[in-house]
Amino acid sequence: NAGVTQTPKFRILKIGQSMTLQCTQDMNHNYMYWYRQDPGMGLKLIYYSVGAGITDKGEVPNGYNVSRSTTEDFPLRLELAAPSQTSVYFCASSYSEQPQHFGDGTRLSIL
Amino acid sequence: QQPVQSPQAVILREGEDAVINCSSSKALYSVHWYRQKHGEAPVFLMILLKGGEQKGHEKISASFNEKKQQSSLYLTASQLSYSGTYFCGTEVSRFYNQGGKLIFGQGTELSVKP
Repeated sequence: NAGVTQTPKFRILKIGQSMTLQCTQDMNHNYMYWYRQDPGMGLKLIYYSVGAGITDKGEVPNGYNVSRSTTEDFPLRLELAAPSQTSVYFCASSYSEQPQHFGDGTRLSIL
Repeated sequence: QQPVQSPQAVILREGEDAVINCSSSKALYSVHWYRQKHGEAPVFLMILLKGGEQKGHEKISASFNEKKQQSSLYLTASQLSYSGTYFCGTEVSRFYNQGGKLIFGQGTELSVKP
């Protein structure tokens, strides 16, 4: 039972590059989320989705984009990477407002 | 608005008790508690819904005071495995498309020493 799978686990980007962080879940959860966690800080919600085709902004959406074409997948797109986007990114999923299950995270450095 | 957790950090000896508080300036529908060990993903502990019901999970329990918009997490007879950072996540609404949206506190780092 894989749960929430994030790829890649680590990535180094140069300023101005773009990339997509992948997230897939096999629990048939309808809700999915993207968070970022800066060192020693809490989780900040970037975007979330309550179902395929429905997404909404969280606390810190600037510089990111998402799409949700299937129940299983919720990719996060970074356009024009900036040093301020260096962080650990967590994807999570839940069945409606039930407990959220987190992936192992993607550690992203932008130099 | 981000909930405020207190204390920011606490050091315990095995067997001691601790209380972690989470306060919000907004009316809350629910409070979620998660624990994160260093370098790992957060793991769910429990959900408290408005109504003040106290929940328990082995030696970890929590309460939610709806009047004060405050939740407290109680760790009794702490074990080494309790070490980690504890986060509260607050949910303010379950209107359409808003349910499940959590705003997390800054975390409380708990260290349990032998």
